[in-house]
Amino acid sequence: GENVEQHPSTLSVQEGDSAVIKCTYSDSASNYFPWYKQELGKRPQLIIDIRSNVGEKKDQRIAVTLNKTAKHFSLHITETQPEDSAVYFCAASIGTGGFKTIFGAGTRLFVKA
Amino acid sequence: ETGVTQTPRHLVMGMTNKKSLKCEQHLGHNAMYWYKQSAKKPLELMFVYSLEERVENNSVPSRFSPECPNSSHLFLHLHTLQPEDSALYLCASSGTGGDYEQYFGPGTRLTVT
Repeated sequence: GENVEQHPSTLSVQEGDSAVIKCTYSDSASNYFPWYKQELGKRPQLIIDIRSNVGEKKDQRIAVTLNKTAKHFSLHITETQPEDSAVYFCAASIGTGGFKTIFGAGTRLFVKA
Repeated sequence: ETGVTQTPRHLVMGMTNKKSLKCEQHLGHNAMYWYKQSAKKPLELMFVYSLEERVENNSVPSRFSPECPNSSHLFLHLHTLQPEDSALYLCASSGTGGDYEQYFGPGTRLTVT
């Protein structure tokens, strides 16, 4: 069946360094790729998303890249801060006409001050 | 409270009990979702309703029974659960389509004894 693989499962970086999380998906019909951040004890919240018609999107310190040929997309966080510490989930879904969203297993990011 | 609300926030039930989880969204969305989040698995999509019609049923055991009486309310009826059903159950809502941001509720922490 469809699945989304996410790596690494845990990532520890020093404050100010960059963090990269990678995901691959299996369903070639997927065309919407959101990233959610879940802080401890809180609900997941969207931080950035990308659609299949673009290869890169940036929002301040956060960027996402998409390679549809390789079925691969990545989250890049620059100048990390302690408040970036959380679990990050990637997801892939079929937008128009579909609602099925498949989530990756999550990456626990620790930013050390 | 605005956004997506869920009640109860915590629930302990025996395997022979019947209980219901409630979700309410105040965002004017037309799609609502149930997810299961456990330590062992990522966010697992259970059910999706669009315009009060069930559009996804992700091979969920029949001991979980969803109900969507209108676009603002979603229920998950539980009966004869197993200990492995203990998890955080998250509700979400979105615009109509898989390529819209999903807004999550705070979740119901379910423990089956």
